[in-house]
Amino acid sequence: SVLTQPPSASGTPGQRVTISCSGSSSNIGSNVVSWYQHLPGTAPKLLIYFNNQRPSGIPDRFSGSKSVSSASLAISGLQSEDEADYYCATWDDNLNGPVFGGGTKLTVL
Amino acid sequence: QVQLQESGPGLVKPSETLSLACTVSGGSITRGDYYWSWIRQPPGKGLEWIAYVYYSGSKYYNPSLRGRLSISVDTSTNQFSLDLTSVTAADTAVYYCASIKGYGSDTYPLFGYFDVWGRGTLVTVSS
Repeated sequence: SVLTQPPSASGTPGQRVTISCSGSSSNIGSNVVSWYQHLPGTAPKLLIYFNNQRPSGIPDRFSGSKSVSSASLAISGLQSEDEADYYCATWDDNLNGPVFGGGTKLTVL
Repeated sequence: QVQLQESGPGLVKPSETLSLACTVSGGSITRGDYYWSWIRQPPGKGLEWIAYVYYSGSKYYNPSLRGRLSISVDTSTNQFSLDLTSVTAADTAVYYCASIKGYGSDTYPLFGYFDVWGRGTLVTVSS
């Protein structure tokens, strides 16, 4: 994938976990980042847009940030229902299209 | 609340054409600040953007699939469609349709984010 995410992450209930998304100047470095939560068999759900904005209905436990050519998704007060796959996405100026990270499987221990 | 629903065959033979449609409900496909896209997820792999279309008919394709793709929009039925020709087993995937919210302009906006997604449809390529 053009964007690099760790394949897995884990935490215990109540903990704070962070998922990184590393890119380059042609994608994250010059475009806005979004994050998606994906539970198997369901439609992916938008969690964060424009780097750090939450859609209505998304709890403030979810937050996003961006610095230079990397972005992060933080989940605080981890809950069992947060166990899912998480993807980052942005526009890539070289591809001239949107790109996704490889996805991070979050396990709540 | 906009909703998207994919439709199409679950099984396609190798070398044939995969045809999918996405019906948009709860909103108009002619909104100038939106594009309409297809994304797929092969088994055990991540998400891959395939193509997107603007209500005017302007089309944008993933270069890795260009040449086999055709995307179209029908504003009279609030639907958009995807054709993928010469399919192989590598095209086996869950195919999602999704709206893209743009920003910066009311027409041909910049890519913002994938706003609403369909539930996806599994397409298997097998003889």
